[in-house]
Amino acid sequence: DAKTTQPNSMESNEEEPVHLPCNHSTISGTDYIHWYRQLPSQGPEYVIHGLTSNVNNRMASLAIAEDRKSSTLILHRATLRDAAVYYCILREGTDKLIFGTGTRLQVFP
Amino acid sequence: NAGVTQTPKFRILKIGQSMTLQCTQDMNHNYMYWYRQDPGMGLKLIYYSVGAGITDKGEVPNGYNVSRSTTEDFPLRLELAAPSQTSVYFCASSYPGQLSPLHFGNGTRLTVT
Repeated sequence: DAKTTQPNSMESNEEEPVHLPCNHSTISGTDYIHWYRQLPSQGPEYVIHGLTSNVNNRMASLAIAEDRKSSTLILHRATLRDAAVYYCILREGTDKLIFGTGTRLQVFP
Repeated sequence: NAGVTQTPKFRILKIGQSMTLQCTQDMNHNYMYWYRQDPGMGLKLIYYSVGAGITDKGEVPNGYNVSRSTTEDFPLRLELAAPSQTSVYFCASSYPGQLSPLHFGNGTRLTVT
């Protein structure tokens, strides 16, 4: 399985934008980049996914480098409820989703 | 829709005891998964199933068994509980396809003493 590398932790102030980086230098052409987040004491929840082009949804934006070796999850205005562990995952094929250790985001008022 | 429901929420087992963690989903998803999460760590895939009657091992299957007799249910069985199985267990389900997001339950916190 292709690997991803994320910082262990990041901090932000409320209402500021947050850029969460992810490196995936061994990504293959058919791997989709998925992001999930896990709020305290809950199961993970889907955030966004992309292949080559930048993607936006109501939760976040995903910026993908032209060579696809890195991506950035963007929270446009962080809120206290965005404090969570964010996982960047390469999904190959259809069967499995393999999680890494993720980035713990702290948001300060 | 209830989504993915896991029972029980909490359980304490003695070493050597057995138990079944229950997982049911009402979204008619073909795919179901079991993950475990140790304190401060990411999730590890235990077993997964792509449909009734079909199961496959994930990253950490030792010490566990699964069955999938219906689309809705995917129970996880621990036969001889060990302290190393102390963890939070998450069940998830999805439609087939690389783009289909996983829907997770709220987990079962298991302690083996």
